[in-house]
Amino acid sequence: DAKTTQPTSMDCAEGRAANLPCNHSTISGNEYVYWYRQIHSQGPQYIIHGLKNNETNEMASLIITEDRKSSTLILPHATLRDTAVYYCIVRDPFSGGYNKLIFGAGTRLAVHP
Amino acid sequence: ETGVTQTPRHLVMGMTNKKSLKCEQHLGHNAMYWYKQSAKKPLELMFVYNFKEQTENNSVPSRFSPECPNSSHLFLHLHTLQPEDSALYLCASSRERQGPYEQYFGPGTRLTVT
Repeated sequence: DAKTTQPTSMDCAEGRAANLPCNHSTISGNEYVYWYRQIHSQGPQYIIHGLKNNETNEMASLIITEDRKSSTLILPHATLRDTAVYYCIVRDPFSGGYNKLIFGAGTRLAVHP
Repeated sequence: ETGVTQTPRHLVMGMTNKKSLKCEQHLGHNAMYWYKQSAKKPLELMFVYNFKEQTENNSVPSRFSPECPNSSHLFLHLHTLQPEDSALYLCASSRERQGPYEQYFGPGTRLTVT
């Protein structure tokens, strides 16, 4: 699986957009980019995933660069409840027999009033 | 409501006790997972089940014994644990074992071994 690099921590003002970057320069053609988040002491929550195209759902937008070597998760209007650790995971969901997610340290996003 | 429930939410047990963690998913998924999250460490995958069949044991010690009687229920039986086994144990499920399907996690069981 391709390695991902994320900043350790970020801050964002409530109501503003939170842009969380992820570098995955060794990503292969079959690997998807997944984003999950974990609010303190809770189970991780799926946010969004994509392969090549930009994706948007009710929670966030995922922007993947044309060369696919990096991506950005965008929370358009951050709220205090978005304070969490955000994980960027790159994975080929068809290899290795099952869809194994490998969680790194993630980015700790703090949303402040 | 995440669709994945876990009981109990908190558990304190001695090293000689035997206890079980329960997970239930209400999403109609076919694959279920056990993860362990120790303090200040990333989540670690422990076991994977697909259609009740165990497809992965990620080098987990035998004092952890999983059981999957059907696609909706998953248990983790615990016996003679060590204090270092204290952690948050998370259950997850996905539509299928392979494919770009998201995993849905339960709230976890916070386990303390004394």
